[in-house]
Amino acid sequence: QKEVEQDPGPLSVPEGAIVSLNCTYSNSAFQYFMWYRQYSRKGPELLMYTYSSGNKEDGRFTAQVDKSSKYISLFIRDSQPSDSATYLCAMRYQGAQKLVFGQGTRLTINP
Amino acid sequence: GAVVSQHPSWVICKSGTSVKIECRSLDFQATTMFWYRQFPKQSLMLMATSNEGSKATYEQGVEKDKFLINHASLTLSTLTVTSAHPEDSSFYICSARVSLAGDSGTQYFGPGTRLLVL
Repeated sequence: QKEVEQDPGPLSVPEGAIVSLNCTYSNSAFQYFMWYRQYSRKGPELLMYTYSSGNKEDGRFTAQVDKSSKYISLFIRDSQPSDSATYLCAMRYQGAQKLVFGQGTRLTINP
Repeated sequence: GAVVSQHPSWVICKSGTSVKIECRSLDFQATTMFWYRQFPKQSLMLMATSNEGSKATYEQGVEKDKFLINHASLTLSTLTVTSAHPEDSSFYICSARVSLAGDSGTQYFGPGTRLLVL
């Protein structure tokens, strides 16, 4: 079993829809949770960072962490074609340097 | 802020030659940099963790004599692929960790370098 599981998709939704992306993890020691967006042939770009449980909102993006369920989510409201990319969840243990990544979900927003 | 650059963005070389890739943090100091490899439609695979002024720590299965990493300053790390072969063709991405007290350990990624070995 992988430490972090993420549905690779692909996920295709119409423009304006609400998108929900999710990751589950097995080790409760993870404390820091991140979402990265990666366009084709580009490096990942940090979208959201959350420490421990809770919600965080930034514009059209909301990140949720439920440590009791070992489940994190990224919601995208009013999705745009420019949101089409691969979304990677990542997490880190307290005191660790390395990030553990999910497999990435390929998202396409159709105009 | 938190911009990381990589150079070159793409390189084509002949089998047996060596290729150097540079990773720079442009507007912050990074005591730790990371090198990843990514195959098409796959997630990032960590190759090594590089701390400024010390030897890199390589992940299991990564040949340290093949992939030489140097982190000579707080803003520059280099990856040299020695005696490159076609199977080394890949997308190489670096990241840098912001060095702040109490930081989250968030990594900021460079744009990547596409290597094609003929």
